[in-house]
Amino acid sequence: AQTVTQSQPEMSVQEAETVTLSCTYDTSESNYYLFWYKQPPSRQMILVIRQEAYKQQNATENRFSVNFQKAAKSFSLKISDSQLGDTAMYFCAFGSSNTGKLIFGQGTTLQVKP
Amino acid sequence: DTGVSQDPRHKITKRGQNVTFRCDPISEHNRLYWYRQTLGQGPEFLTYFQNEAQLEKSRLLSDRFSAERPKGSFSTLEIQRTEQGDSAMYLCASSLSGNRDQYFGPGTRLTVT
Repeated sequence: AQTVTQSQPEMSVQEAETVTLSCTYDTSESNYYLFWYKQPPSRQMILVIRQEAYKQQNATENRFSVNFQKAAKSFSLKISDSQLGDTAMYFCAFGSSNTGKLIFGQGTTLQVKP
Repeated sequence: DTGVSQDPRHKITKRGQNVTFRCDPISEHNRLYWYRQTLGQGPEFLTYFQNEAQLEKSRLLSDRFSAERPKGSFSTLEIQRTEQGDSAMYLCASSLSGNRDQYFGPGTRLTVT
């Protein structure tokens, strides 16, 4: 069975600075996807970034980038130039290539301070 | 593209009552997923459909839970004889098979008193 672990329950960062959220996972599958989702307070889940396991190049979406270490089963999210609107709970998720179902971590609450 | 919608957004019910939630996926999406999220936790997979076929159910989905997706469009999730432990946010997501990005609805928050 797949597991996803986020070891940082809460983090804070000053506006305009950079923050990195950690995630590790465990799987025996060779083909899969990894995701970071953002859930603002009382709002719906939003897809931030996706990484295909077969790609060596780290995914980047504007201010968001990942550090994917397949051998170490590590998948961290870096947020550059943090903005107040980045305040949210962030979930790391493992996606099965067959079914697409997602296995989520426990989440990291990120507070961006002015 | 109006996104994934869920109805109702909030439901308060008494223990022992039956409740039904509805999810309307993005129109061209053939996969539909249900998750349950308790406060401060990550969502947990419940079940998913490809078109009208229910292809997988989690062990979390007891026999009091049933889900349908008639005609491969909207889906319903019914909980019979609700218990206080069923109180949670029920999330629906949809995707295109072959495209792994899932788009989530706003959720239905269930409170069982």
